[in-house]
Amino acid sequence: AQSVAQPEDQVNVAEGNPLTVKCTYSVSGNPYLFWYVQYPNRGLQFLLKYITGDNLVKGSYGFEAEFNKSQTSFHLKKPSALVSDSALYFCAVRDGSGGSYIPTFGRGTSLIVHP
Amino acid sequence: DSGVTQTPKHLITATGQRVTLRCSPRSGDLSVYWYQQSLDQGLQFLIQYYNGEERAKGNILERFSAQQFPDLHSELNLSSLELGDSALYFCASSLGTITYNEQFFGPGTRLTVL
Repeated sequence: AQSVAQPEDQVNVAEGNPLTVKCTYSVSGNPYLFWYVQYPNRGLQFLLKYITGDNLVKGSYGFEAEFNKSQTSFHLKKPSALVSDSALYFCAVRDGSGGSYIPTFGRGTSLIVHP
Repeated sequence: DSGVTQTPKHLITATGQRVTLRCSPRSGDLSVYWYQQSLDQGLQFLIQYYNGEERAKGNILERFSAQQFPDLHSELNLSSLELGDSALYFCASSLGTITYNEQFFGPGTRLTVL
């Protein structure tokens, strides 16, 4: 079985400050982890993924995520937030060792960046 | 632009009716996924097709059905509609069934059942 949790429904941050959106996961085998962003009235858009290798993954729009196997976490980060980063962020996991082809998505975290 | 298209963008209908949502995947993608997004349930996986065949089923009601055609476009049919079926319906596509492939989402169809 696979699951993912996004413990915060909403994250507030001031423009220019660093941001972190949290994600923890549970899979039987090796995790494939994904972050997606959804802007208002739009579909989800792929940001980045972790398959294997370097624990720090860089993605689109200056976002990065850190894979931590011992803490089963894959937090999304950005050094300096922009107002335009305000959106809904989804973490997703797939079991890379077999099992479901279908990713499990978290419930999403609303990021609000204040000017 | 993800390359995935969905029509219509908005759909307003009455309870008991039947509607069809259409999706064209990104060029070259063989897998199509359907999701339902609502405020209380989040993003729910409904069903996946790969190259015309059903590959995986999620929380899809018996009143709902889908198919993928030879040209790889897909349709989601929703019948005997209820108020609770009001939601955003997304289609996504990916290259195949490899688990590390990311998905590309369409803009969605907003269904309102009155």
